[in-house]
Amino acid sequence: DTGVSQDPRHKITKRGQNVTFRCDPISEHNRLYWYRQTLGQGPEFLTYFQNEAQLEKSRLLSDRFSAERPKGSFSTLEIQRTEQGDSAMYLCASSLDGGGPETQYFGPGTRLLVL
Amino acid sequence: AQSVTQPDIHITVSEGASLELRCNYSYGATPYLFWYVQSPGQGLQLLLKYFSGDTLVQGIKGFEAEFKRSQSSFNLRKPSVHWSDAAEYFCAVGDRNTGNQFYFGTGTSLTVIP
Repeated sequence: DTGVSQDPRHKITKRGQNVTFRCDPISEHNRLYWYRQTLGQGPEFLTYFQNEAQLEKSRLLSDRFSAERPKGSFSTLEIQRTEQGDSAMYLCASSLDGGGPETQYFGPGTRLLVL
Repeated sequence: AQSVTQPDIHITVSEGASLELRCNYSYGATPYLFWYVQSPGQGLQLLLKYFSGDTLVQGIKGFEAEFKRSQSSFNLRKPSVHWSDAAEYFCAVGDRNTGNQFYFGTGTSLTVIP
């Protein structure tokens, strides 16, 4: 069990550029979540996948955001035309849907700074 | 809607002193409750969780938490704090009915004085 990994760990970009983040969940986990955390706040839910299906999206996920999990393993989160307000830590978590309560395990996060 | 309140934004304790971090939740059914810890620039590490059963749960690093349904609380405690416990602590509630997304409090920042 290597845990949840995220890449890159840090990203600095200019306003208007597109960025893409990757998340590799714990290998046997079939659920994958994206959260956003701004300074001084707790993580806020963005979206989640059950295998390759994106089952829920938050109102926070504007049209500029898109997430994929094409083969039910790793996931990518893309932000198009970045804005300064997108600066945040983007956290990925995974869990195993075993029919009961689940524990989400988090990765180290990708810190985005939009200049 | 579910919500989590952590009333204390920042707490300072002396090393060796006891610690209690407060967490109150709003949820219609029996919640799934979690405490996570976050060191600067890092992701969240699970400390402990409550699903059902015994309302006093033990976690890693000597932490424990008690679920009190009547008070809608899930406070985190540690009898003797170590300098390495300095971090941000987040309480979270999980809800299977909404896709198991977690709702987090705003966190409590812990400073430990030598």
